[in-house]
Amino acid sequence: EAQVTQNPRYLITVTGKKLTVTCSQNMNHEYMSWYRQDPGLGLRQIYYSMNVEVTDKGDVPEGYKVSRKEKRNFPLILESPSPNQTSLYFCASSLSPPRLAGYSYEQYFGPGTRLTVT
Amino acid sequence: GNSVTQMEGPVTLSEEAFLTINCTYTATGYPSLFWYVQYPGEGLQLLLKATKADDKGSNKGFEATYRKETTSFHLEKGSVQVSDSAVYFCALSDTDTGRRALTFGSGTRLQVQP
Repeated sequence: EAQVTQNPRYLITVTGKKLTVTCSQNMNHEYMSWYRQDPGLGLRQIYYSMNVEVTDKGDVPEGYKVSRKEKRNFPLILESPSPNQTSLYFCASSLSPPRLAGYSYEQYFGPGTRLTVT
Repeated sequence: GNSVTQMEGPVTLSEEAFLTINCTYTATGYPSLFWYVQYPGEGLQLLLKATKADDKGSNKGFEATYRKETTSFHLEKGSVQVSDSAVYFCALSDTDTGRRALTFGSGTRLQVQP
């Protein structure tokens, strides 16, 4: 089954304790991305990756790191979590159309990780 | 920059009522437009999409037409069911840069009563 998986699904941690949220897709997608969802704000992009070893900042990258060593995996790293990073996090992936194609493939989302930082 | 504006919810309807959720957007170039649905406790699922002006996306009885002249992509369904209760997100995809980020509206919660 084609899917995006995230782990853990729920996490409660304390300020300053480093954590990693894993994301994996089995659809051979080049493009992967992380979003956070907060009430009244919809989803906002944190980081994205166009392909292996190619990552860049989204709209709200402060306090986060990512890596893309393999095509299927795109972990999100919080080196020193703070309470304002309490949120619902989604990983997504898609195919990458040619740059000049003028359209975008849909993104497939994981089930989400609910993170609470106390 | 890009932005998406959705009508605020919650929207409460009786079963078999007609549904419209308004969505307007601001974007440079020619974005692709999407509706995603989020059922309680689950991730986002693509509901439908349209990639150019006048395209109509449809799925599971839902429809939306890409209107470039009014920069709108309103979601409609002729007869809602209790199982349609969820949060609906309108989104656009940035096609002018390599970022390909989705810009989401704030979401509209739909509650359908039996």
